[in-house]
Amino acid sequence: GAGVSQSPSNKVTEKGKDVELRCDPISGHTALYWYRQSLGQGLEFLIYFQGNSAPDKSGLPSDRFSAERTGGSVSTLTIQRTQQEDSAVYLCASSLKQSSYNEQFFGPGTRLTVL
Amino acid sequence: KNQVEQSPQSLIILEGKNCTLQCNYTVSPFSNLRWYKQDTGRGPVSLTIMTFSENTKSNGRYTATLDADTKQSSLHITASQPSDSASYICVVSALTGGGNKLTFGTGTQLKVEL
Repeated sequence: GAGVSQSPSNKVTEKGKDVELRCDPISGHTALYWYRQSLGQGLEFLIYFQGNSAPDKSGLPSDRFSAERTGGSVSTLTIQRTQQEDSAVYLCASSLKQSSYNEQFFGPGTRLTVL
Repeated sequence: KNQVEQSPQSLIILEGKNCTLQCNYTVSPFSNLRWYKQDTGRGPVSLTIMTFSENTKSNGRYTATLDADTKQSSLHITASQPSDSASYICVVSALTGGGNKLTFGTGTQLKVEL
């Protein structure tokens, strides 16, 4: 079956522009997570969605970052007024439900470069 | 503050050799520990998961150990192959209600040379 897919795979943008990153989770997975992976750093939790519950936004680094999950499936991560420090790989993961015992299946990531 | 430290940061070995990667954590209260393998340009893939009561778990040529008393884990790779070249990430989960506050290590970059 299909795994988690993300698009675009690479995105180069100019400082100050807005970007949207997309994640298609595995069908039937109710939990969806966004992470940021900067060079030489561990994965940094950004936000997670569980079913119809309010998302946990506690990892978002600033109000320039937001995410939506429509219909309990596809999610988009939006970064407004991008800064050079936003350059990183943004990974999306999904799992059957929100539990650390449930394996998270990761997408290939979107590499964002802010010039 | 919950932390996960991995060593070495990078490692180069010859094909066929064994190696051991280390993970020390200060996450509390402990729930479980996973080792992930991340190939270049790909997302991480889970290799093993261990809970408090498990000391060792194998997945093919990968064997993970856990010492919950000393808060240390290791990942042993036997008879290495070039396809093992990847970043290996240790991830520790705390017993907290709600949310998903996994703590990720920065990974060990392994290169297996012919």
